[in-house]
Amino acid sequence: SAVISQKPSRDICQRGTSLTIQCQVDSQVTMMFWYRQQPGQSLTLIATANQGSEATYESGFVIDKFPISRPNLTFSTLTVSNMSPEDSSIYLCSVRTSGNGEQFFGPGTRLTVL
Amino acid sequence: TQLLEQSPQFLSIQEGENLTVYCNSSSVFSSLQWYRQEPGEGPVLLVTVVTGGEVKKLKRLTFQFGDARKDSSLHITAAQPGDTGLYLCAGVTYNTDKLIFGTGTRLQVFP
Repeated sequence: SAVISQKPSRDICQRGTSLTIQCQVDSQVTMMFWYRQQPGQSLTLIATANQGSEATYESGFVIDKFPISRPNLTFSTLTVSNMSPEDSSIYLCSVRTSGNGEQFFGPGTRLTVL
Repeated sequence: TQLLEQSPQFLSIQEGENLTVYCNSSSVFSSLQWYRQEPGEGPVLLVTVVTGGEVKKLKRLTFQFGDARKDSSLHITAAQPGDTGLYLCAGVTYNTDKLIFGTGTRLQVFP
């Protein structure tokens, strides 16, 4: 398993601004992911954060809107850019630690955009 | 396109009742996981199944992976209020190696 922390835990932001979310893991992991969970919904994969190279984005998500950094094997950031109320969601960092696909999740960052 | 459909979407039961949640797909998965999520927290991994037909038990929870590796079920015996939460199945497909989540089942157990 892995212990994952996220900062901030929640924030309220104004339309048009940007927010950077940090994810810290207590051990080195190869695979890190960012998910979005809209109110009352399941989780949707935003992107895979690759160490040393550009993130791999899922359909419907683009780098200009959700830039991701992965400077090392224990840390990643997700920025939500030029925010609108539709970006109000919980953003979750996740890591995979074994070959059977098991993933562990951070507590999430609850974002509200006014 | 949602690969994993869960049913029921909502379930409200009394303490002591039994229930089953289903997770179905047309895709084949190399592994399938079940998570429980409580308000204000991230999903917590309950179990991973990797072999078709596999059955795993975790106290009052029984998980089954379909023979064809396309579906799974979660059965809870004698539900308790502490079982309340959002239950999510999630699978890793052979061709993408990404963990994709099901639509979710929100369970409420009343004392």
